[in-house]
Amino acid sequence: NAGVTQTPKFQVLKTGQSMTLQCAQDMNHNSMYWYRQDPGMGLRLIYYSASEGTTDKGEVPNGYNVSRLNKREFSLRLESAAPSQTSVYFCASTPRMRTGDQPQHFGDGTRLSIL
Amino acid sequence: RKEVEQDPGPFNVPEGATVAFNCTYSNSASQSFFWYRQDCRKEPKLLMSVYSSGNEDGRFTAQLNRASQYISLLIRDSKLSDSATYLCVGYDRGSTLGRLYFGRGTQLTVWP
Repeated sequence: NAGVTQTPKFQVLKTGQSMTLQCAQDMNHNSMYWYRQDPGMGLRLIYYSASEGTTDKGEVPNGYNVSRLNKREFSLRLESAAPSQTSVYFCASTPRMRTGDQPQHFGDGTRLSIL
Repeated sequence: RKEVEQDPGPFNVPEGATVAFNCTYSNSASQSFFWYRQDCRKEPKLLMSVYSSGNEDGRFTAQLNRASQYISLLIRDSKLSDSATYLCVGYDRGSTLGRLYFGRGTQLTVWP
């Protein structure tokens, strides 16, 4: 049982390039999330998808777009990468939102560097 | 101001020591709390949920003080393998997002 799978694990981009981070979960969870983690900042929510077919902005959505392709997959796109987007990106899922006792299941993370 | 505030540490303790972390939260409507553990360059993983009455799991004890709006994590008989960053997390079901708020994390190093 893979849980939450993110690809790629590492990526180096040049400023202005675009790329898509992929995330898939095999736990039949309804809700999925994208976070970024920077030193001294903790985890910050970029976008989330409460259920298939819906997406909403989190704390730091600027510069990103998302697609909830189906129940399993939730992708994060950087249209024009900037050095400020250098970070570790985590995808997570929960059975559904508004259930406070459900732990978030995280993927391994994608380490993204933008030069 | 962040919803959840933690002392970033680092805490450096010898094996066998008892160490405690505190975390304060600003939103009194927050209804659930958790401690996550994150190893270096790894994803966060749930360590414990925090209940009003306090809960214990082996060497770990978590407590919630709603009056003072803080959460604590106590680790007894520290092991080398406890070295990690501990994230305090709050959940606000009443918020628009109904989502989790992560603290910045407290770094713990246990030395032999």
